[in-house]
Amino acid sequence: QKEVEQNSGPLSVPEGAIASLNCTYSDRGSQSFFWYRQYSGKSPELIMFIYSNGDKEDGRFTAQLNKASQYVSLLIRDSQPSDSATYLCAVNSNSGYALNFGKGTSLLVTP
Amino acid sequence: DTGVSQDPRHKITKRGQNVTFRCDPISEHNRLYWYRQTLGQGPEFLTYFQNEAQLEKSRLLSDRFSAERPKGSFSTLEIQRTEQGDSAMYLCASSPTLQIGELFFGEGSRLTVL
Repeated sequence: QKEVEQNSGPLSVPEGAIASLNCTYSDRGSQSFFWYRQYSGKSPELIMFIYSNGDKEDGRFTAQLNKASQYVSLLIRDSQPSDSATYLCAVNSNSGYALNFGKGTSLLVTP
Repeated sequence: DTGVSQDPRHKITKRGQNVTFRCDPISEHNRLYWYRQTLGQGPEFLTYFQNEAQLEKSRLLSDRFSAERPKGSFSTLEIQRTEQGDSAMYLCASSPTLQIGELFFGEGSRLTVL
């Protein structure tokens, strides 16, 4: 079992809709959870992090964490075509140094 | 430009040759990471430095791979006796001390092994 699992997609949503991206992780000791966005041909960039159970909102983005169920999600409200990218979920490792990434979910927002 | 810089951006080599990549992190960041990414996959952790100390190395990493960060500034990643399976994008990232997980990635060095 991979440490961080994501559905590779593609997830297609119409412009203006809510995109919901999900991630599960295997290490119950993980404390820090991150969402990175990667445009085609570019490097990943951090868009959100969450440490505590519950929701964390930043603009159109909301990260949700449920440690008991070992899942993290990212909601993108009012999706725009510019949101079309691969979204990578990342979880800190046992050592606390490395981030382990999922394979990413490809999101396509159609006009 | 004060971002993470990687060199070369592209490298084509023949199987069996050695290659070296360089990474210059953001100057005030003392954490430095190397990752490898292949098409359709997320970045795979290779190794981590805090200042000049290599504190973690992936157990999946072959002995053909070695990394250094001699003065706690730039870092090099060397691959010896390259194999076709080494073809990938090699990503360097740096991070501020107190922000675990906030990685700033460079543009990457793409390796093609023929």
